[in-house]
Amino acid sequence: DIQMTQSPSSLSASVGDRVTITCRASQTISNFLNWYQQKPGKAPNLLIYGASSLQSGVPSRFSGSGSGTDFTLTISSLQPEDFATYYCQQSVDSPRVTFGPGTKVEIK
Amino acid sequence: QVQLQQSGPGLVKPSQTLSLTCAIFGDSVSSHNVAWNWVRQSPSRGLEWLARANYRSKWFFDYAVSVKGRISIIPDPSKNQVSLQLNSVTPDDTAVYYCVRGLGSSGGDFWGQGTLVTVSS
Repeated sequence: DIQMTQSPSSLSASVGDRVTITCRASQTISNFLNWYQQKPGKAPNLLIYGASSLQSGVPSRFSGSGSGTDFTLTISSLQPEDFATYYCQQSVDSPRVTFGPGTKVEIK
Repeated sequence: QVQLQQSGPGLVKPSQTLSLTCAIFGDSVSSHNVAWNWVRQSPSRGLEWLARANYRSKWFFDYAVSVKGRISIIPDPSKNQVSLQLNSVTPDDTAVYYCVRGLGSSGGDFWGQGTLVTVSS
């Protein structure tokens, strides 16, 4: 299986901050990388697919970049509703997709 | 708008079978080349893909190695739903289970509400 890692595992930030989360794959995955947001008690919600394509209905303050093994999710100006846990997921090995362990974004 | 509505028991005894159903609204379980998946989430395993059903002129099924041999994904076109059966469960199978559309290059774009299944006597 392709292993996914994320850093940091958690971070504290303030409303209005620029936040960056990193995801790394154990082998090259081209741009087959998706990002999700999950709030407590809810299912994950797709934010970004194909490393950089914004899912319909997702605010433009979210963006993704990267290719190969290293990827980044950026929130340009953190909003109160963005406090959540974020996961990356590789799809190059579909159907045997794997997820990162998550990054929890907390209020400073 | 696609909606996935899950149902099934929240408590299963060890060695018994976990059975969950995902009713699909706004799409068809038989849509060509659309993947229907089951994923689970637990503190110890994180998010873990379990199974996929995909209709491409015939049905194709894929299973995670970790549960292969005791898992089945069962599409039912007459009811437009997809079910999960996991046999011989242990407490390690305790998790929130989700049905998910996609998970490929376009991502998992629709998820069920999740079902917490506890394996305990």
